[in-house]
Parts: sequence; structure tokens; C-alpha cells
Amino acid sequence: KAGVTQTPRYLIKTRGQQVTLSCSPISGHRSVSWYQQTPGQGLQFLFEYFSETQRNKGNFPGRFSGRQFSNSRSEMNVSTLELGDSALYLCASGSFPGHTDTQYFGPGTRLTVL
Amino acid sequence: GNSVTQMEGPVTLSEEAFLTINCTYTATGYPSLFWYVQYPGEGLQLLLKATKADDKGSNKGFEATYRKETTSFHLEKGSVQVSDSAVYFCALSLQGAQKLVFGQGTRLTINP
Repeated sequence: KAGVTQTPRYLIKTRGQQVTLSCSPISGHRSVSWYQQTPGQGLQFLFEYFSETQRNKGNFPGRFSGRQFSNSRSEMNVSTLELGDSALYLCASGSFPGHTDTQYFGPGTRLTVL
Repeated sequence: GNSVTQMEGPVTLSEEAFLTINCTYTATGYPSLFWYVQYPGEGLQLLLKATKADDKGSNKGFEATYRKETTSFHLEKGSVQVSDSAVYFCALSLQGAQKLVFGQGTRLTINP
């Protein structure tokens, strides 16, 4: 069974631009979550989606948005990029939106904002 | 609020040494607890989990027991290998959500 895939793996953008990251969950999984990882703040939760509905949102500004499609694939978008948005963005998929479920992580997208 | 605190790293051990990485949590309700591992340049891999008090999670020689009375989930391994060198994250998820709350991570280096 293929794992979680994220594209692209690396991105370089400049301040003010916008970016879209993509995540394909494990086949059959309908829950997708996104996390931001930085050296200073560690791993922080961004969003959680299940069946195309956002169930939870982390404490991030409105420049960060996401969505989930009917095939469970998910995208996140960051508009008006800032230097502080440079991070590893991780996507995780799960089979159901419960706290006992295991989330499986993709390799991440490394975003660098210049 | 809900939070996870891990022992500060980095931790450096010799091969075959005993490993303990402490993890304590603060949470409302009854969380599930997880240990994830991250190798250089990769995403997170689940190492083990426990979903209720007194459960013991185990995998690849690693163990952790969900202790509700001490709000702890310490990771242990009896004999570490060089290949165990990685960053280890303790995390919790709360009832009604799949969102994970992570500790700050502990970098482990094993010397041959």
C-alpha cells in the first residue's frame, strides 16, 4: 500500500507570493491533517479535514487555508508569504477522525521563503 | 491548556546502553498518547501508541506505558543501536479530534 505522498518536496518562493501544497493520503483514508514544523516552534497543527469538511483549525492567520477533495486529496494554500513561513509542511492521513486513530505522515514539503 | 513536555536533548549514548526519554502531558479528558520518530530528511513515523491508562505500547524494542496517575508516557529501550539515532516526539490527541499536540522533540545520537 502506497504511503502518504506530498508534492512538491521542495519549494522556493519570495515574500508576497502565494503557494499551494498538495497531499494524497493513503488509499482508503478519509482524514487528512496538516502540520508546520520549524526549529523554533516545533510541530504545530494547521488543519484537520474529514470527508471534505474542516473539523479543526490551528492558531494560524487567515493567510493559511486548506481544502479537501472528494477523493480525499488535500491542498493547503499560503498567501502573501512571509519569511517566517519557511518550514517543513507535513501532511498526515488517518482512516477515521478519532483520537485513537493512528496518523501516517508524508515526507513533507520544504518551503523556503526568500 | 493541553501540552506535552519532553526531556531536553540532545541525548548521546553508546551502543547497547539503556534509553529513557521522559514525557509528561497535561490534558483535559482522556487523551491517546503516541511516540513518533523522525529520521534526517524524512517525515514522522509512528513508533508506538497507547489509547488508555495502563496500556503499554511496544515496537522494535521500544516500550512506553500510559501512566494516568503521573500523566507520563516515558519511552524506553533496553539496548540502543546506532540506527536508533533520530529525533523522537511524544504527542497526544484528545477525544473528539485527531489533532496531535507534540512535545518539542528529543534528538538522540548513538555512538558505536
